[in-house]
Amino acid sequence: ETGVTQSPTHLIKTRGQQVTLRCSSQSGHNTVSWYQQALGQGPQFIFQYYREEENGRGNFPPRFSGLQFPNYSSELNVNALELDDSALYLCASSRLGGGANVLSFGAGSRLTVL
Amino acid sequence: DQQVKQNSPSLSVQEGRISILNCDYTNSMFDYFLWYKKYPAEGPTFLISISSIKDKNEDGRFTVFLNKSAKHLSLHIVPSQPGDSAVYFCAASQGGSEKLVFGKGTKLTVNP
Repeated sequence: ETGVTQSPTHLIKTRGQQVTLRCSSQSGHNTVSWYQQALGQGPQFIFQYYREEENGRGNFPPRFSGLQFPNYSSELNVNALELDDSALYLCASSRLGGGANVLSFGAGSRLTVL
Repeated sequence: DQQVKQNSPSLSVQEGRISILNCDYTNSMFDYFLWYKKYPAEGPTFLISISSIKDKNEDGRFTVFLNKSAKHLSLHIVPSQPGDSAVYFCAASQGGSEKLVFGKGTKLTVNP
């Protein structure tokens, strides 16, 4: 069983730039959620995708957007980067309706905005 | 406004003793609670959960207790082992949603 994989593991951007983070779901899973974990904080829900459409969103501005592809992989895009966007971005996959306890998390992409 | 709070940033215990990690929540609509463990450079991994219809759930060395009236839950690890050293996150959800609300985490160190 292949777990959730994310890329890149680390990246550095400057304020105002755009970034794309990628996630491959665990095999057998059909939903993808993205979380932001700032330093010293717990993960915070950004949004979830199911059947290539957004299926719930947390308190994040529209410059955070996502895509889910037919193979259930996903991208997180952040435009007009701000210093506060520096964080670990976690991707989690699951089967819709399978319950929160089957969420599988990737190791994350650590973004630094200078 | 933090809906899930873990007020102890860190906890240190001796190997073989009990570790007790605490979590409080404010949203009475939460009906499902989970604990995740996170090692450095790895994603959080599910540890144990409890539904609001129960007050205790046990899995091996791990037991979660839920006190709904106090909006408080705790994770007990007995006996603690050095391999349990990690950051533990409490999380909550409502209505079967997979949208989780996390606490800030507690770093547990188990000393040999």
